[in-house]
Amino acid sequence: KAGVTQTPRYLIKTRGQQVTLSCSPISGHRSVSWYQQTPGQGLQFLFEYFSETQRNKGNFPGRFSGRQFSNSRSEMNVSTLELGDSALYLCASSLLGAGSRVEQYFGPGTRLTVT
Amino acid sequence: GESVGLHLPTLSVQEGDNSIINCAYSNSASDYFIWYKQESGKGPQFIIDIRSNMDKRQGQRVTVLLNKTVKHLSLQIAATQPGDSAVYFCAENSESYIPTFGRGTSLIVHP
Repeated sequence: KAGVTQTPRYLIKTRGQQVTLSCSPISGHRSVSWYQQTPGQGLQFLFEYFSETQRNKGNFPGRFSGRQFSNSRSEMNVSTLELGDSALYLCASSLLGAGSRVEQYFGPGTRLTVT
Repeated sequence: GESVGLHLPTLSVQEGDNSIINCAYSNSASDYFIWYKQESGKGPQFIIDIRSNMDKRQGQRVTVLLNKTVKHLSLQIAATQPGDSAVYFCAENSESYIPTFGRGTSLIVHP
């Protein structure tokens, strides 16, 4: 069974631009969660989508948004990029959801650098 | 590979030694805890989990201990191998669901 895939793996953008990241979950998984990982803050929860609906949201500004398609693939968008948005963005999928005490499977991440 | 944990606490051990990695969690309402391993250039990988109604759980070469009194979690790795070198961090799920992750500990295993 193929794992969680994320594209692109690396991205360089300039301040003020916007970016869209993509995540394909494991086949059959309906939950996709997004996380931001930085050396300073560690791993922080952005939001979770389940069956195309946002189920939970972390404490991030409205510039961070996402969506999920009917095939469970998910995209995350960051508008008006700031230098502080430079991070590794991780996507995780699970069968029932991150809050269901069921294992989450993480993708390799997208390394975003904002200059 | 990518560096995911600069300035992290570091634990250096010799191959074959036992390793103990500690984690303090903050929310006394948390009822589910997970340990992850993250190698350079990869996403976190599930190692073992434990629910709050248990104080110990064993897997293959790994044991997680939970002390709810002092809100402390530990991961013990037996007979540590060079392939165990990675960043390890814990996560807690609270009643509000949003998972909270620890900063992580970098484990370095010397052959």
